Amino acid sequence: GENVEQHPSTLSVQEGDSAVIKCTYSDSASNYFPWYKQELGKGPQLIIDIRSNVGEKKDQRIAVTLNKTAKHFSLHITETQPEDSAVYFCAAPRPHGSSNTGKLIFGQGTTLQVKP
Amino acid sequence: NAGVTQTPKFQVLKTGQSMTLQCAQDMNHNSMYWYRQDPGMGLRLIYYSASEGTTDKGEVPNGYNVSRLNKREFSLRLESAAPSQTSVYFCASSEGVTSGGRTQYFGPGTRLTVL
Repeated sequence: GENVEQHPSTLSVQEGDSAVIKCTYSDSASNYFPWYKQELGKGPQLIIDIRSNVGEKKDQRIAVTLNKTAKHFSLHITETQPEDSAVYFCAAPRPHGSSNTGKLIFGQGTTLQVKP
Repeated sequence: NAGVTQTPKFQVLKTGQSMTLQCAQDMNHNSMYWYRQDPGMGLRLIYYSASEGTTDKGEVPNGYNVSRLNKREFSLRLESAAPSQTSVYFCASSEGVTSGGRTQYFGPGTRLTVL
């Protein structure tokens, strides 16, 4: 089955610096990789996702890169702001046999602190 | 649209008590999910429902049961609560793979403490 490892578990940066969070996955058939942001006391919210037919996707200050050969994908946040402080989760599909179930397996989470 | 709603927001139980966590979505989504979140362990899938009338076990189903009451509602029941079930519980929904929608939308969570 799929296994997703996320690093680092905590990350502290100065406001304006960049932050990078990396995830590795084990199932080479995985083809969808979302990133979620969870603010304190709230549920996770999708911030960006990438499908396996592209190597990079950007949305303003956020980008995700995918390396299918190495089986890892990364979240990049540029020009960090205090409101970026949150817990970030990566995820990959959880297959069931040969069928795509829509289920996800999540990484362990990264607590990002942006210091003003 | 309210999105995904969960009740209650907080609950304290004694060991052996039972309770049902309620979840509803108003996005006409086919698939619904129950997760638990524990420190350092991310989100773990308890049960999911790919479509109305179907349910299936996830990663950590022991001690839980679910009911997909209709397309909108998916409840999670703890028949005999144990301290190991102290956690934050999230419900989520998605359009479903067959509809091409893989994004999962999460509710605000239920914080459960079992003494």
